[in-house]
Amino acid sequence: GDSVTQTEGQVALSEEDFLTIHCNYSASGYPALFWYVQYPGEGPQFLFRASRDKEKGSSRGFEATYNKEATSFHLQKASVQESDSAVYYCALSDRGSALGRLHFGAGTQLIVIP
Amino acid sequence: EAAVTQSPRNKVAVTGGKVTLSCNQTNNHNNMYWYRQDTGHGLRLIHYSYGAGSTEKGDIPDGYKASRPSQENFSLILELATPSQTSVYFCASGGGTGGRYAEQFFGPGTRLTVL
Repeated sequence: GDSVTQTEGQVALSEEDFLTIHCNYSASGYPALFWYVQYPGEGPQFLFRASRDKEKGSSRGFEATYNKEATSFHLQKASVQESDSAVYYCALSDRGSALGRLHFGAGTQLIVIP
Repeated sequence: EAAVTQSPRNKVAVTGGKVTLSCNQTNNHNNMYWYRQDTGHGLRLIHYSYGAGSTEKGDIPDGYKASRPSQENFSLILELATPSQTSVYFCASGGGTGGRYAEQFFGPGTRLTVL
């Protein structure tokens, strides 16, 4: 079945460091890919999406590029701030899902040290 | 602003008891979803619905039932709660013309502890 793998369970950085959170997927067809962010005590919230090869999604300084050959959608940010501390989820919506069913990765907790 | 609310926010239940988690959305979205969140597993889909009167099984439906009596409301029912169902539960709404590209809007979550 469809799945998403996030290799880092936790990432700790200092302010202004460069961030990469890795996301790889396994799916038949051509899935849509998403990043969601969850702040403490809240539900996840949509960050951005990409739906075709080489498309870049971005929001709030974060970005990721759909790479079909590498089956990846890595999240990056040039300069993190303490306020970016949160859990980040990569997700996919498979081609056959008109109902927008999402398959989420295990999540990556980002800790930014001031 | 999209709004999804859940009740209760916290619940302690006994093993074998019945638990009902409620969700309400004011987004007028057709689709609603129930997830559970556990460390190391991320968010896993339990049940979902594409409109009033419909429910569908997600990836981990065993031990759970769902009910969608109206466009706005979607409930998750644990008929016989077990300690393995201790988790944080999230409801979400989404869909419409966005289909599989549509973002989902999540509620604040319900923390359930089964003793």
